[in-house]
Amino acid sequence: DAKTTQPPSMDCAEGRAANLPCNHSTISGNEYVYWYRQIHSQGPQYIIHGLKNNETNEMASLIITEDRKSSTLILPHATLRDTAVYYCIVRVAAGNQFYFGTGTSLTVIP
Amino acid sequence: DTGVSQDPRHKITKRGQNVTFRCDPISEHNRLYWYRQTLGQGPEFLTYFQNEAQLEKSRLLSDRFSAERPKGSFSTLEIQRTEQGDSAMYLCASDLGPGSYEQYFGPGTRLTVT
Repeated sequence: DAKTTQPPSMDCAEGRAANLPCNHSTISGNEYVYWYRQIHSQGPQYIIHGLKNNETNEMASLIITEDRKSSTLILPHATLRDTAVYYCIVRVAAGNQFYFGTGTSLTVIP
Repeated sequence: DTGVSQDPRHKITKRGQNVTFRCDPISEHNRLYWYRQTLGQGPEFLTYFQNEAQLEKSRLLSDRFSAERPKGSFSTLEIQRTEQGDSAMYLCASDLGPGSYEQYFGPGTRLTVT
């Protein structure tokens, strides 16, 4: 599975959009981009995933560049409960385990 | 609550002792995973089961570690002769099978080896 690069930490004001970047320049054509988050003392939680097209669900939006070498997770209106470590992972569709990196620690500031 | 439960939530043990953790996945999920997470790091894959068959083991899973999933339901992870380096959060996850995009994680068992 391709490796991802994320900034170690970010801050975001409550109510504003949080934009979390991820680089995956060695991604293969059959690899999806996944985002998980981990709130302190809990297990990771699935957020969203995508292959080529932008995706949106009730939690977030995922924007993938045309060359698929990077992506951005957008939390449209960050709340204090969104404070967590966010992991960007690439994995083939039929893959099994996830390979987590160190992620981005997002702090939402009141 | 994701529906995946782990027991115990916390375990303190002395170096050299054996410990066993249990994971109960979501009932209809065929695949069960074990991960280990140390402070400041993301979860690291240890092993996974498809029903009762253990299909893959990470090189992180030394000979002191053994995992089982009898009858394809709950799973146990045993660590023999614990070492201080085994101190970590042990996470269990489950999913429906190949092609699943979402793994459901339990709350983890935090192991402290003194």
